[in-house]
Amino acid sequence: GENVEQHPSTLSVQEGDSAVIKCTYSDSASNYFPWYKQELGKRPQLIIDIRSNVGEKKDQRIAVTLNKTAKHFSLHITETQPEDSAVYFCAASRSGGYNKLIFGAGTRLAVHP
Amino acid sequence: GAVVSQHPSWVICKSGTSVKIECRSLDFQATTMFWYRQFPKQSLMLMATSNEGSKATYEQGVEKDKFLINHASLTLSTLTVTSAHPEDSSFYICSATSPETQYFGPGTRLLVL
Repeated sequence: GENVEQHPSTLSVQEGDSAVIKCTYSDSASNYFPWYKQELGKRPQLIIDIRSNVGEKKDQRIAVTLNKTAKHFSLHITETQPEDSAVYFCAASRSGGYNKLIFGAGTRLAVHP
Repeated sequence: GAVVSQHPSWVICKSGTSVKIECRSLDFQATTMFWYRQFPKQSLMLMATSNEGSKATYEQGVEKDKFLINHASLTLSTLTVTSAHPEDSSFYICSATSPETQYFGPGTRLLVL
């Protein structure tokens, strides 16, 4: 069935360093790939998303890359700050909002001052 | 941006009772809503897809008679956990869809004693 694998499960970096989280999806029909940030006890917050017709998207310190051939997408956070500490989830779906999202297992990011 | 609310935000109940959770899209109409369950330190697991005016579609392994879903209007979906047991204790999150993406509610924390 549909599956999204996410690595690493935990990531610890020093403030100012970059962080990279990688995901691989199994459903070749997937064409929408959002990334969510979830703080403890809160709802997931969409931080960036990418669709299959582009290979890269950037929003300030956050960027996402997509390799459709390899069915692989990654989140890049530059100049990390302590407030970036949270759990990050990747997800994949077949199109926009109306189809179900398949989530990765999550990455717990800790940014140390 | 789109706002999705959930009520209640937390609930404690006795084993064997039923609990109803409401999910509302406050500033847009959502023909489709999704219900997720999240156990501590785990990812979001899709329980069911709620479609306005029709029966919900449940994911494999989710008991439709235990988790009753009603999507009576374009802005409201309800999840009723019937005959709740301690193993049903979890964080329940809904999302409402737009053509572009899903917007998550703040979640409902259920504790069954």
